[in-house]
Amino acid sequence: KQEVTQIPAALSVPEGENLVLNCSFTDSAIYNLQWFRQDPGKGLTSLLLIQSSQREQTSGRLNASLDKSSGRSTLYIAASQPGDSATYLCAVTPGGNNRLAFGKGNQVVVIP
Amino acid sequence: GAVVSQHPSRVICKSGTSVKIECRSLDFQATTMFWYRQFPKQSLMLMATSNEGSKATYEQGVEKDKFLINHASLTLSTLTVASAHPEDSSFYICSASDGGSYNEQFFGPGTRLTVL
Repeated sequence: KQEVTQIPAALSVPEGENLVLNCSFTDSAIYNLQWFRQDPGKGLTSLLLIQSSQREQTSGRLNASLDKSSGRSTLYIAASQPGDSATYLCAVTPGGNNRLAFGKGNQVVVIP
Repeated sequence: GAVVSQHPSRVICKSGTSVKIECRSLDFQATTMFWYRQFPKQSLMLMATSNEGSKATYEQGVEKDKFLINHASLTLSTLTVASAHPEDSSFYICSASDGGSYNEQFFGPGTRLTVL
């Protein structure tokens, strides 16, 4: 069974610092990996999707890397802003089916 | 594009009431829809997967007679919580996939269910 772990569970950083969020998964046979953002009481917003054949994806200040062989992904958020405060969820699609396995999230607070 | 809506966004009901939650894909045809529940400070747990026109596939431990799923069209799936009890209070989120090559799921905004 695929297990997804996110470290740290929570972190606070001053505005302007770069954020580094880590995700690890136990089974490297994945189809893709997604990073989502979730605001309190809200649904999920997809940030980046990395196919298993890709090593990274970038969108604006966000960059996500994928090392499938070691079962790791890292989400970088450059020059953090208070509006980046949210929970960031990592999810993998196991190979062979489309059922996402989620981590518990990284809860981020950016301090103005 | 790829917008998914849920209705209602919030519902409060008495114990024993049945509650229906709708999930709609607004601008694409969803061959597969998924239903998740999320407890406070926990991750999303998949409850069931539904394909249009066929019976839903439930995850282990999810009672299919309690959580009734209907995927009657390519744009609509419904989750009915039958005879809801306080322990069913949770945040329910649906997602939809068009079965494209990326297998990407698009998520709805969620429904907060509170059973008194």
